[in-house]
Amino acid sequence: GNSVTQMEGPVTLSEEAFLTINCTYTATGYPSLFWYVQYPGEGLQLLLKATKADDKGSNKGFEATYRKETTSFHLEKGSVQVSDSAVYFCALSDYTGRRALTFGSGTRLQVQP
Amino acid sequence: NAGVTQTPKFQVLKTGQSMTLQCAQDMNHNSMYWYRQDPGMGLRLIYYSASEGTTDKGEVPNGYNVSRLNKREFSLRLESAAPSQTSVYFCATPGQNTEAFFGQGTRLTVV
Repeated sequence: GNSVTQMEGPVTLSEEAFLTINCTYTATGYPSLFWYVQYPGEGLQLLLKATKADDKGSNKGFEATYRKETTSFHLEKGSVQVSDSAVYFCALSDYTGRRALTFGSGTRLQVQP
Repeated sequence: NAGVTQTPKFQVLKTGQSMTLQCAQDMNHNSMYWYRQDPGMGLRLIYYSASEGTTDKGEVPNGYNVSRLNKREFSLRLESAAPSQTSVYFCATPGQNTEAFFGQGTRLTVV
């Protein structure tokens, strides 16, 4: 079956530091890949996505590249802000059957001023 | 345009009580899902509905029932709540490229 593995958190960074959150996946076929963000007390919001190999998703300064050879979709940002503090979830969808997303366990990011 | 609306936002139940979580979407999507979110486990699929009148089990369906009342509404029922069902529950509906749109969540505590 499908699975998503994310790096353990929490991740604590100073403002303007570089961020990487690792994500690897196992799936049959050619899944679409997503990063979701959850701010405190809120639901999940789509941050970025990539639908095929070598695609780069980007939004709000965050980027992730769909690497089929390493089955990875690592999230990066060059300079984090305090407002980026949230929980980040990597997810995949394989377009088959129920079309539901499979999520990683989430990584909490805390950015200090 | 509200997107996906869940009620209630918070609920405390005693063991053995029942309750229904409500979800409505105004996006005219066919599919709707219920997830639960637990610390360190991400979101796990409880039930899903591919279209009005159809429902099917996800990863963790035990202890839950669902009803797809119409295209807009998909409810989740706990018939006899247990402490293991303490969680945050999210309703979601997939978009054109399967990215999901989520409600704000229901934080349920069973004591």
